[in-house]
Amino acid sequence: EAGVTQFPSHSVIEKGQTVTLRCDPISGHDNLYWYRRVMGKEIKFLLHFVKESKQDESGMPNNRFLAERTGGTYSTLKVQPAELEDSGVYFCASSRSSVLAEAFFGQGTRLTVV
Amino acid sequence: GENVEQHPSTLSVQEGDSAVIKCTYSDSASNYFPWYKQELGKGPQLIIDIRSNVGEKKDQRIAVTLNKTAKHFSLHITETQPEDSAVYFCAARGYGGSQGNLIFGKGTKLSVKP
Repeated sequence: EAGVTQFPSHSVIEKGQTVTLRCDPISGHDNLYWYRRVMGKEIKFLLHFVKESKQDESGMPNNRFLAERTGGTYSTLKVQPAELEDSGVYFCASSRSSVLAEAFFGQGTRLTVV
Repeated sequence: GENVEQHPSTLSVQEGDSAVIKCTYSDSASNYFPWYKQELGKGPQLIIDIRSNVGEKKDQRIAVTLNKTAKHFSLHITETQPEDSAVYFCAARGYGGSQGNLIFGKGTKLSVKP
């Protein structure tokens, strides 16, 4: 069974540009989460999809971040326009049941905004 | 909201020694406490978890203890090996709010010296 995969693994962009991160969850996992870790700090929750619906987006920093999960399969996280403070590692995780909460994480996308 | 503190931020032990990482949480309603291990270039991987109705759980060389009264939980690794070297994250999930919203500690970088 394939794990959670994220693309790209690294991205370096200039301030003001747009970047789109992609996450392919484990097949059959309805729950998909985005997290972010800014260097040296904790991993912070961004949002949670159940299938194609946003269950909780309370962690999204601001309206420069847009997450979608059309069709309830893969998800994208777009940052537009990117700012320096958006740099960090973005993790995606998926789980069958949010109640059981065993979430499987992808390897992350390291985003550097210069 | 929930807040999770994790200590120490770095830990260096000799191979064969034990390692202990401690976390405290603020929300007494939190009921699920997973521990994740993140190796270089990989995403966090769940290694053990504990629910609020249990005080201790063990899996081979890894154990987790939970003190609900004091609101703290700890990870114990015995007979450490070089391959245990990684960053370890504790997390807590509250009963209310999004079921998928894990609150993480800042991580502990464990180094096991051969």
